[in-house]
Amino acid sequence: QVQLVQSGSELKQPGASVKVSCKASGYTFISNAINWVRQAPGQGLEWMGWINTKTGNPTYAQGFTGRFVFSLDTSVNTAYLQISTLQAEDTAIYYCTKNFSVARFDYWGQGTLVTVSS
Amino acid sequence: QSALTQPASVSGSPGQSITISCTGTSSDVGGYKYVSWYQQHPGKAPKSMIYDVSNRPSGVSNRFSGSKSGNTASLTISGLQAEDEADYYCSSYTGSSTVFGTGTKVTVL
Repeated sequence: QVQLVQSGSELKQPGASVKVSCKASGYTFISNAINWVRQAPGQGLEWMGWINTKTGNPTYAQGFTGRFVFSLDTSVNTAYLQISTLQAEDTAIYYCTKNFSVARFDYWGQGTLVTVSS
Repeated sequence: QSALTQPASVSGSPGQSITISCTGTSSDVGGYKYVSWYQQHPGKAPKSMIYDVSNRPSGVSNRFSGSKSGNTASLTISGLQAEDEADYYCSSYTGSSTVFGTGTKVTVL
């Protein structure tokens, strides 16, 4: 069965970096793009962008350029989200999700809570 | 890209029907057939309930239905059940990105 399993919660200090992983199984990894979605505490879903798993080409939504980097390791069917120079406002749950078709996300990771606090 | 507009909350009694609206523009909801709806229970990941405006993924109850008119999409839940109490989000393709709605909390009275 299709699964997206994300890495565990992270507690980071302001200014540090974090790398969240999303390991896919149960389907051909390079057949479907991976998208990233942020959910701040008590807030709604926010689309961050996506990465083409065939080419590794990332696309970032407005507001997620510069400090946010999507990457892949296709040898282990894993997508990564790296956030640098963390700020308190980056505290959120980050989800990876699999594209089934245009703007349709059929499977989601369990989410990774990133807390930024001194 | 601004978030799509949803009512903050909708409530209904068991067995009733409720409808959640999702209002965008001609650049997103009105311009494409790619509107989806997601259900999110507290502490859980979102779950796909409707895609391409009105299609249900396998395993989703037929009590959930979707439609669209102009720049507004709608999700209707018929025969409301206690397990339907959750947050619901719409999303739409914009031509180059995806945008989510503001979210609606559904309460079963």
